[in-house]
Amino acid sequence: SQQGEEDPQALSIQEGENATMNCSYKTSINNLQWYRQNSGRGLVHLILIRSNEREKHSGRLRVTLDTSKKSSSLLITASRAADTASYFCATGPPRYTGANSKLTFGKGITLSVRP
Amino acid sequence: NAGVTQTPKFQVLKTGQSMTLQCAQDMNHEYMSWYRQDPGMGLRLIHYSVGAGITDQGEVPNGYNVSRSTTEDFPLRLLSAAPSQTSVYFCASSYRPTDWAEQFFGPGTRLTVL
Repeated sequence: SQQGEEDPQALSIQEGENATMNCSYKTSINNLQWYRQNSGRGLVHLILIRSNEREKHSGRLRVTLDTSKKSSSLLITASRAADTASYFCATGPPRYTGANSKLTFGKGITLSVRP
Repeated sequence: NAGVTQTPKFQVLKTGQSMTLQCAQDMNHEYMSWYRQDPGMGLRLIHYSVGAGITDQGEVPNGYNVSRSTTEDFPLRLLSAAPSQTSVYFCASSYRPTDWAEQFFGPGTRLTVL
């Protein structure tokens, strides 16, 4: 079963606007990752946030993690047409299992940035 | 560095045929994984490996075999192709357990089973 679920499924915004995407998960985690996939390509890693971190920045990306709500958000500021892609959150298995080599991906969010 | 490479890029099989999807990485990563991506389903883990000689099953392993004889290569074998295996297959590698490190993905193999 999917550990991470993204919301919304699709998002369409104007260039220059901010895009916010959310991810919820079911069980306790060690880390949460966000990936981007351009059409017809493999996934590219964006950011990893650890369970003891609340916020992390990378360029125009800002990721937050709320372990009490089991949710994360990815904010892309000042969006560009080149940000058009699918975005996935990924989590490992529950912390208590110790099986840390199985990453589970959500179904993804399709972001369209209109020029 | 070439990163993670996958061959072929496209493949069409008939039901019942077998084939091997190739995956190689030149980053000396211990951890490698195979995923399949279907519309509306996201990525699902098929098999993974934590080092040469060590493999384990993921979420959807039925109909697939893997082996890891070297650090660099992690081939995925379809034993008897079925239409349900029509999908895009991605190989990925990382230098630490996948939960703790960035995964590097290959460009994918688009497989159609008729």
